[in-house]
Amino acid sequence: AQRVTQPEKLLSVFKGAPVELKCNYSYSGSPELFWYVQYSRQRLQLLLRHISRESIKGFTADLNKGETSFHLKKPFAQEEDSAMYYCALSILTGGGNKLTFGTGTQLKVEL
Amino acid sequence: NAGVMQNPRHLVRRRGQEARLRCSPMKGHSHVYWYRQLPEEGLKFMVYLQKENIIDESGMPKERFSAEFPKEGPSILRIQQVVRGDSAAYFCASSVEGFYSLNTEAFFGQGTRLTVV
Repeated sequence: AQRVTQPEKLLSVFKGAPVELKCNYSYSGSPELFWYVQYSRQRLQLLLRHISRESIKGFTADLNKGETSFHLKKPFAQEEDSAMYYCALSILTGGGNKLTFGTGTQLKVEL
Repeated sequence: NAGVMQNPRHLVRRRGQEARLRCSPMKGHSHVYWYRQLPEEGLKFMVYLQKENIIDESGMPKERFSAEFPKEGPSILRIQQVVRGDSAAYFCASSVEGFYSLNTEAFFGQGTRLTVV
């Protein structure tokens, strides 16, 4: 079965410092990876997806199949980046499938 | 488009009562997913439904839990004879297509926080 691991429950960085939120997955096939974000008092929303290879709000994530990782990175943290971040995995199965989420990492950007 | 609407936002039930959680997907979305978030845990998949069909219920507990998505009206997650361990946040998401397209996006509701006393 597929699994997503986010080893850090809380990551605290200073404003302007680089950010890396770790995500590792286990799945023998070719999954699709996502990062979802939940800002305070807001609903969970998609931040970025592997397939689009885009940068959103300065965040990027590269899929490393050798290390089975999909770490989220941003070179310079901003205060508004403080939020809960969830890594998620989707696999293709007949008839549709589901997102499997990690336990999330709370990012706190301090001034 | 108001987004995915869940109600109630907070629900308190005594042990043994029934809990009904409602989810209205975004307009035009015919795929609904339910997730449960226990304290200190991530979002755990429960069930995936399309209109009038259960597609994947591999995450649903075998007893007391059921879900439906009728032709008309919201999707309902029903928990019978609730126990303290059912206390959690329950999130609903909807999408235009199922995840078999791999790059579809799930839009989430704000969740229902169930407390069993």
